Amino acid sequence: GAGVSQSPSNKVTEKGKDVELRCDPISGHTALYWYRQSLGQGLEFLIYFQGNSAPDKSGLPSDRFSAERTGGSVSTLTIQRTQQEDSAVYLCASSSQTGTNEKLFFGSGTQLSVL
Amino acid sequence: AQTVTQSQPEMSVQEAETVTLSCTYDTSESDYYLFWYKQPPSRQMILVIRQEAYKQQNATENRFSVNFQKAAKSFSLKISDSQLGDAAMYFCAYRNTGNQFYFGTGTSLTVIP
Repeated sequence: GAGVSQSPSNKVTEKGKDVELRCDPISGHTALYWYRQSLGQGLEFLIYFQGNSAPDKSGLPSDRFSAERTGGSVSTLTIQRTQQEDSAVYLCASSSQTGTNEKLFFGSGTQLSVL
Repeated sequence: AQTVTQSQPEMSVQEAETVTLSCTYDTSESDYYLFWYKQPPSRQMILVIRQEAYKQQNATENRFSVNFQKAAKSFSLKISDSQLGDAAMYFCAYRNTGNQFYFGTGTSLTVIP
């Protein structure tokens, strides 16, 4: 597609349920990032995929959070046993990383609300 | 770890006037990149301007320019001739050589007609 696509755009779930958030990066982009944006906060890094390298998971806040990237393209962020503090906008971004000054291209995010 | 600080949670500017948004960062690296991103209500982050740390010349993009002070680790954004469409959240970001991005907490800019 022309840009980074995220789905769903909004998700309402009950506490304790599992959710899956999807990110479809720009075709050919080797780098993919997940960020969390809580109300009034900046972007909190969650995880970074680069090509076939092992992902940088250093930002995942707990073992309830996991992510995978299949075939070097689509990525899924899974949150198990959701808690109210997980409510936030989850942003995905991709980058081609072919140059030294590559920028991030962002999706429109998934607004997650945990009731 | 690198940190990015935006000390102005909110700013306002009169239409057609100039406003400067502040950003400071902390790093021990000498080679890095700095960015300003704009996030309108649609939530989609849009790149406004970027600066390579090794370049002394300040980057400019039409009405947007930066004041990059490497020694002071400061990277402010100046918006000239402010327009209503400039109203948004603005995030300062730092990218290290490992392709990791760090973002500030953002500045909400209001443009007053």
